[in-house]
Amino acid sequence: LAKTTQPISMDSYEGQEVNITCSHNNIATNDYITWYQQFPSQGPRFIIQGYKTKVTNEVASLFIPADRKSSTLSLPRVSLSDTAVYYCLVGDSSASKIIFGSGTRLSIRP
Amino acid sequence: GAVVSQHPSRVICKSGTSVKIECRSLDFQATTMFWYRQFPKKSLMLMATSNEGSKATYEQGVEKDKFLINHASLTLSTLTVTSAHPEDSSFYICSARGWTANTEAFFGQGTRLTVV
Repeated sequence: LAKTTQPISMDSYEGQEVNITCSHNNIATNDYITWYQQFPSQGPRFIIQGYKTKVTNEVASLFIPADRKSSTLSLPRVSLSDTAVYYCLVGDSSASKIIFGSGTRLSIRP
Repeated sequence: GAVVSQHPSRVICKSGTSVKIECRSLDFQATTMFWYRQFPKKSLMLMATSNEGSKATYEQGVEKDKFLINHASLTLSTLTVTSAHPEDSSFYICSARGWTANTEAFFGQGTRLTVV
């Protein structure tokens, strides 16, 4: 399982774009990169998943460079409700486990 | 996305009693289910992985006899905390994954267990 490294915490303000980077130097060829969001006392919620280049959905964008050793979750125009912990996970469909790293605690201020 | 329902969302029990937590995949068949425990301001800690019809695989340090996991069908897994003690108080989360070509998993809303 590829280990991931994220900043422990980040702060930003409403209306700003927030980019959270995740390092996964040992990512394997078959691994996908998945990001989850978790609010207090709730289960994680799927945000976005990608394999390479760029993926965009209605919530976020995911940028993956050619070497795939890192990825960046981009949240456009954040609001107070985006305050949460964001987890980056790396793995493939044959992975017998889904292991969470420490995550990034994002705090959005007015 | 797919829906995973976890019940109950909160439970308070007395020391020495057992508590069962249910995890259901409502609109897909979950070939694999995961159970996590989460302490305040900490990440999710994987307790065990279960595949339908087979015994669960527990992570190192997790007591099999304390945390009984059953995955009897493709839509239901249960976690029973036996002879609960105050130190078992925690937030428990289940996750389910089906037959997909990627690793996306869906999570229940979690269960807050308080043992008094």
